[in-house]
Amino acid sequence: AQKITQTQPGMFVQEKEAVTLDCTYDTSDQSYGLFWYKQPSSGEMIFLIYQGSYDEQNATEGRYSLNFQKARKSANLVISASQLGDSAMYFCAMRELNTGFQKLVFGTGTRLLVSP
Amino acid sequence: DVKVTQSSRYLVKRTGEKVFLECVQDMDHENMFWYRQDPGLGLRLIYFSYDVKMKEKGDIPEGYSVSREKKERFSLILESASTNQTSMYLCASSPQQLGGNTEAFFGQGTRLTVV
Repeated sequence: AQKITQTQPGMFVQEKEAVTLDCTYDTSDQSYGLFWYKQPSSGEMIFLIYQGSYDEQNATEGRYSLNFQKARKSANLVISASQLGDSAMYFCAMRELNTGFQKLVFGTGTRLLVSP
Repeated sequence: DVKVTQSSRYLVKRTGEKVFLECVQDMDHENMFWYRQDPGLGLRLIYFSYDVKMKEKGDIPEGYSVSREKKERFSLILESASTNQTSMYLCASSPQQLGGNTEAFFGQGTRLTVV
């Protein structure tokens, strides 16, 4: 069964520093997609970055990059040069593409606090 | 601008009431999802639908049912609301394709309180 694990309930980082948010996943499907979402205190879910299981390069989107280690089944989010506005909940999610009708499953999330 | 709209932002209902949460998307997406979000538990999938009139149970379907009579609308039904169903409910939709980025788009959420 597909599962996402985020082991860090909370993380602290100083402004302008880099931070890594951990995500491991479990799946028996060879084809899947991994997603990271940000949820600020306003509650909206903001899509950040996507990594396909067959993508050979790590995904990057501006200050966000995804450290994809397929053998370890990990998909960590790296935020470079943290900003105060990065303070939010961050969720890792996975969709299996060949099984389970492509249902989308989330982890428990990590709350990131960025201090000045 | 893509949009997923949930009918209410805040809702207060009494124990035992039948509650309908409505979600509409304007992106012609095949997949639609209902999640509940609780502190420390993340987003847990209640039900999802991959086509009109088709539904699949998620991880926590007990006490809930769903309806999808039209492609754009996915309703979550609490048959007899209980206090342990007090939560934030999030609806999402996504395209159904085998490859590439199939990000889900979310509604603004409905905070339901059952008293």
